[in-house]
Amino acid sequence: GQQVMQIPQYQHVQEGEDFTTYCNSSTTLSNIQWYKQRPGGHPVFLIQLVKSGEVKKQKRLTFQFGEAKKNSSLHITATQTTDVGTYFCAGRDNAGNMLTFGGGTRLMVKP
Amino acid sequence: DTEVTQTPKHLVMGMTNKKSLKCEQHMGHRAMYWYKQKAKKPPELMFVYSYEKLSINESVPSRFSPECPNSSLLNLHLHALQPEDSALYLCASSPSVRTFDTGELFFGEGSRLTVL
Repeated sequence: GQQVMQIPQYQHVQEGEDFTTYCNSSTTLSNIQWYKQRPGGHPVFLIQLVKSGEVKKQKRLTFQFGEAKKNSSLHITATQTTDVGTYFCAGRDNAGNMLTFGGGTRLMVKP
Repeated sequence: DTEVTQTPKHLVMGMTNKKSLKCEQHMGHRAMYWYKQKAKKPPELMFVYSYEKLSINESVPSRFSPECPNSSLLNLHLHALQPEDSALYLCASSPSVRTFDTGELFFGEGSRLTVL
């Protein structure tokens, strides 16, 4: 079945440093979504990428979808303590079926 | 604030108890989901309801029984659970399960279940 791998599992950064998490699928995806889950909270949708090579920005967050639609990344510029949480990618297979979540990257930011 | 409401927020039950988790959304979404999330793990899909019909059951043990009374409500009935079933149970909704739709999942805050 489809597998979605995410690295790193954990990342500690100093406030102001940049952060990137990477997501790789074993199969070609129709689209990929990103969610953020704060400690003790629930996943909250951030963005969806659909097109090959797509790049989207939300303030300090930049999302990319690979040309082959098998990988994606989330980059945060100049992290803040409010960025703390676990970031999950979730890929939808080419049949448009259910989302498969990556294992998540837990971001910790030292003030 | 989330537009998907789950009750109760916390639940402690014994292995012989019967309890239910409830979920409600008023966004007109026609797909509703139950996910199970263990600590430091991603959400794990349990059930999907599409237009109030069960469309996906991810080989979940029968001690978990979902129910969708109407398009706004989703229940998860629990019976004879095991301690390893302790987890955060998340309800989610989306406009549709169909391909190429936005498919964004709106999660509730979850029900944290402890089985003693």
